[in-house]
Parts: sequence; C-alpha cells; structure tokens
Amino acid sequence: ETGVTQSPTHLIKTRGQQVTLRCSSQSGHNTVSWYQQALGQGPQFIFQYYREEENGRGNFPPRFSGLQFPNYSSELNVNALELDDSALYLCASSLKAGGTAYNEQFFGPGTRLTVL
Amino acid sequence: AQSVTQPDIHITVSEGASLELRCNYSYGATPYLFWYVQSPGQGLQLLLKYFSGDTLVQGIKGFEAEFKRSQSSFNLRKPSVHWSDAAEYFCAVGLPGGYQKVTFGTGTKLQVIP
Repeated sequence: ETGVTQSPTHLIKTRGQQVTLRCSSQSGHNTVSWYQQALGQGPQFIFQYYREEENGRGNFPPRFSGLQFPNYSSELNVNALELDDSALYLCASSLKAGGTAYNEQFFGPGTRLTVL
Repeated sequence: AQSVTQPDIHITVSEGASLELRCNYSYGATPYLFWYVQSPGQGLQLLLKYFSGDTLVQGIKGFEAEFKRSQSSFNLRKPSVHWSDAAEYFCAVGLPGGYQKVTFGTGTKLQVIP
C-alpha cells in the first residue's frame, strides 16, 4: 500500500508568479485535504476535495484553488504569489464512507514553498 | 469558532524522564481530539485520537492522552521519553459531521537531552 506522496519536495518562486503543487492519495482514499504550515505554526486548513468537488474551505483567498482528478490525486494552485505564502504545504488523504463518524487523515511529507 | 491552545512552545526533558504536553481546546461541544507528531522533513503522524468513551486513550510509541471535559483539556503523556521522541507535537480538534475540518494548535517542540 502506497502512502501519500507530494511533489515537488521544494520549490522557489518569486512574488507574483503562479505555482502548482501535486498530491497522490493513499490507495483507496477518495478525499484530499490541503493545509498550509507557516514556520513555527500549526497547519491551517485550506480546503478539502471529495469526489472531484470542493466540499469545504478554510479562510484562504480565491487565489488558492485546487483540483481533484478521477484517480483522486489532487493539485493545489496558488496565483499571484505573495511573500507570506512561503510555507510547508501538506496534503492529507482519507476515505470518506457513509456512516463513518470521522475519517482519519493520512499526511504526506509536504512541499516546502519559498517565495522571494 | 473552535480553537486549540498549546501553551508550551518548547519543552526540554532528559531521556528516561516522564513527559506531559498540554492542550486546551475551545468548542461548544466535545470535538474529536487528536495528537500528531512531526519530525523534521516528515509529514504528520497520528499518535492517538479521542472520539468518545474511555477518557484515557492509548496511542502508538507508548503515548497516552487523557480527556478532561471539565478542563477542556487533552494532555499527552509518556512515562519514559526516548531520544527518538524529539520532534514537534501538535494537538488538533475535528468537528463531527460536515467536511471534517481539522484545526491544529501551534505545536510544542520537544527536545530530549541525554
């Protein structure tokens, strides 16, 4: 069973550019959540995708957008990068099944984004 | 809005000593409660979780946590710390139902000295 993987590991961009981060879910999982972890902070929820649709969003502006593909892998896109977007971006996958009270999230190792 | 407070930013303990990491949450009802560990360059690993029932929860790597409703606390404990436990620990809460957003605390960095 393959765990959650993310690419790239590290990325350097300049202010104003756009970036795409990728996440492959754990086998059998149908839900992906994205988190932003700034230095010295806990992860903050960006949004969640379930069956290719966004079904929950945190307090992030619209320039943060995402996609989920039929194989349940996912992308996080950030437009018009700002210096404060520098962070570790974590992806977590889970299996949402009917009647389950809570679905454990499994995290990938993250992508470290630096905006100069 | 729910929130999680981890009052200790950094804790240093000697190897073999006991450990307690504090966590308080703010939410109208009892949320789902979690402790995660993050080692450098690694993602988050779930140590243990509490949904309901027995308020003392056993997790992996010899960790346990106790839920105290009256104090809105979910403190993490380990009787004897190993050098490999040095990492950052995050307490988190999840809301039942909906899209199950998880809110994390700011973390406690654990240093283990010989």
